[in-house]
Amino acid sequence: GAGVSQTPSNKVTEKGKYVELRCDPISGHTALYWYRQSLGQGPEFLIYFQGTGAADDSGLPNDRFFAVRPEGSVSTLKIQRTERGDSAVYLCASSLREADTQYFGPGTRLTVL
Amino acid sequence: AQKVTQAQTEISVVEKEDVTLDCVYETRDTTYYLFWYKQPPSGELVFLIRRNSFDEQNEISGRYSWNFQKSTSSFNFTITASQVVDSAVYFCALTGGSYIPTFGRGTSLIVHP
Repeated sequence: GAGVSQTPSNKVTEKGKYVELRCDPISGHTALYWYRQSLGQGPEFLIYFQGTGAADDSGLPNDRFFAVRPEGSVSTLKIQRTERGDSAVYLCASSLREADTQYFGPGTRLTVL
Repeated sequence: AQKVTQAQTEISVVEKEDVTLDCVYETRDTTYYLFWYKQPPSGELVFLIRRNSFDEQNEISGRYSWNFQKSTSSFNFTITASQVVDSAVYFCALTGGSYIPTFGRGTSLIVHP
């Protein structure tokens, strides 16, 4: 079956702009996770959803970051007033339930100039 | 708080050598899950194994084997007869009661022909 997909694969933006990153999880997976990965580091947790609700958003670095999952499937990570320090690969993963194996998408590489 | 330590930043071997990647973890949870993921140069994290804290049996899958020892809080990964295609960054991860995974910083494995 289809895996986790993320769009766009690459996003280049200017400092101060707004961006949206999209994640399409594996069908039937109720849990969806967002991570950020910087060069030479492991994935860093941002937020996860169980169904439509954000179960834990403790990893979001500040209020410029926000994510939604209105119908319990596709999720969008939104970043306002982007800064150069936001440049990273943003990864999405989904799992059947919380604590189950997470399957990752290919990531979106965000570059803020 | 939970923590995953992968002390080996980079390992370089010649094809057909055996190699072990170390993973040491810390958690206060009695129920937890340990994972290994592979991240090839293409960038997508590939799931390798999931282990729960009550199952200390070692596992073998082809050339891959995992040694889980609660007494030393370690979950080490061995590749037997390494191949060039094994070159990648390998991440160890831990999920406890919060359902939020903590990843190690990864070990970059380079297999030379």
